[in-house]
Parts: sequence; structure tokens; C-alpha cells
Amino acid sequence: DGGITQSPKYLFRKEGQNVTLSCEQNLNHDAMYWYRQDPGQGLRLIYYSQIVNDFQKGDIAEGYSVSREKKESFPLTVTSAQKNPTAFYLCASSIGSGGSLSGANVLTFGAGSRLTVL
Amino acid sequence: AQSVTQLDSQVPVFEEAPVELRCNYSSSVSVYLFWYVQYPNQGLQLLLKYLSGSTLVKGINGFEAEFNKSQTSFHLRKPSVHISDTAEYFCAVRVMYSGGGADGLTFGKGTHLIIQP
Repeated sequence: DGGITQSPKYLFRKEGQNVTLSCEQNLNHDAMYWYRQDPGQGLRLIYYSQIVNDFQKGDIAEGYSVSREKKESFPLTVTSAQKNPTAFYLCASSIGSGGSLSGANVLTFGAGSRLTVL
Repeated sequence: AQSVTQLDSQVPVFEEAPVELRCNYSSSVSVYLFWYVQYPNQGLQLLLKYLSGSTLVKGINGFEAEFNKSQTSFHLRKPSVHISDTAEYFCAVRVMYSGGGADGLTFGKGTHLIIQP
């Protein structure tokens, strides 16, 4: 079945450590996204990528980094510069980020990764 | 920039009663509108979307929403809820820029629907 796989589902990290969250999709989607979810805050966009080897900062990119070396993969690194990294992280993808009336605007989400800093 | 307001953070409803979850947005340009549902410890799943055409949109699980451009609203409704509808519901908007490109979705803060037996 096609979908998005995020790993690990749960992750614990000590302060000062970098950690990388994996996101892989087999939907042949061009665009991929990373969101952060905190209770009562909704979803906030961290980074997004419309095409391989290109990505843009979202609303809360500070303390995070990404890469898009392959179409299928969009890993997120939470660096030690992120002051409050404990959160639920969601990866998503879409056919494209264009404005057509097709499914281009519909996001498919992974099951999420919960990061806890000890 | 666009924004989305979900007026209720929590809505308790008795089983088999109707429900409306409110969503208002602000944008000076045309938008696409979405409702997503999130069950505990899971990702989001699309309920329905409005891209163009009829302002009444039907989605999965018996939900529907009506786009009201003059009131900049996109309220979600279901005539009779079930225990299994207990979840977090997110309204989202994506702006269609004149250049043909589009940015990521902007989400509301979510409404927790609690179904009481």
C-alpha cells in the first residue's frame, strides 16, 4: 500500500543532542512537508520541499534542518539550537504544491513521531 | 498572510445528536479550504475539501461543510454523531497566489469533538 512512513514513532533525547526524524513516501509525490504539533497550538509548518534538492523554510524553521536528496525521502534534524523540541512531528506529502483543481492541494500525512527531550 | 480561527477548542455532544464545528478564515485572495480529522496518536486524515464549484461539500463518515465567502466561513457539520467520531478536527486554508503557485497549508488550532453516550 502507498503511504508515508515516519520513524521512529517515539524518541527520547538528552538536551544538547541532535536527532533526525525519518520520513519516507512511496506515493511518487513531488512535495513534502514537516509540521510540528503542540497541544492547543494546531500544526505549524517547519519546512517544505516542492522538488528534489530544493526546500523552503516554514513559519518555525529555527533550530531545524532538512534535506531532500531523493524524491521519496525528507528527513528532519532537530538540532540542539531548538529551545523547546518536545512535540509531535508530522510529515506530509502532496502530488505537487501547485494550485490546480486536482489532488495537488491534498496532503497525505504520516502517523507522526513523538519527540521527548529529557 | 492568511489565518484560520476555530472558535471552539472543545465541543461535547451527545451520541446521535447533530454537531457543527466552526471555522473562519482571513485572506484577501482566493483560497482552498479543508477539514482534517486526527485520531489519538495518529496523523491527519482528509475529511473533505473545497476547491471550487458547489459551496456545499460532502466528505467521508457523513460529514459535510459549507463554504460561505461573504462570511469567510467553512463550518463542518454532521447530522448524527457516533462515539467513533471522537477526535481532533482541524480546519485548514491554502491561498492560491496569482502566479499559480501555492504555499503550504495554514491550520487552525483544532477542535476536540467529544461524544458522550
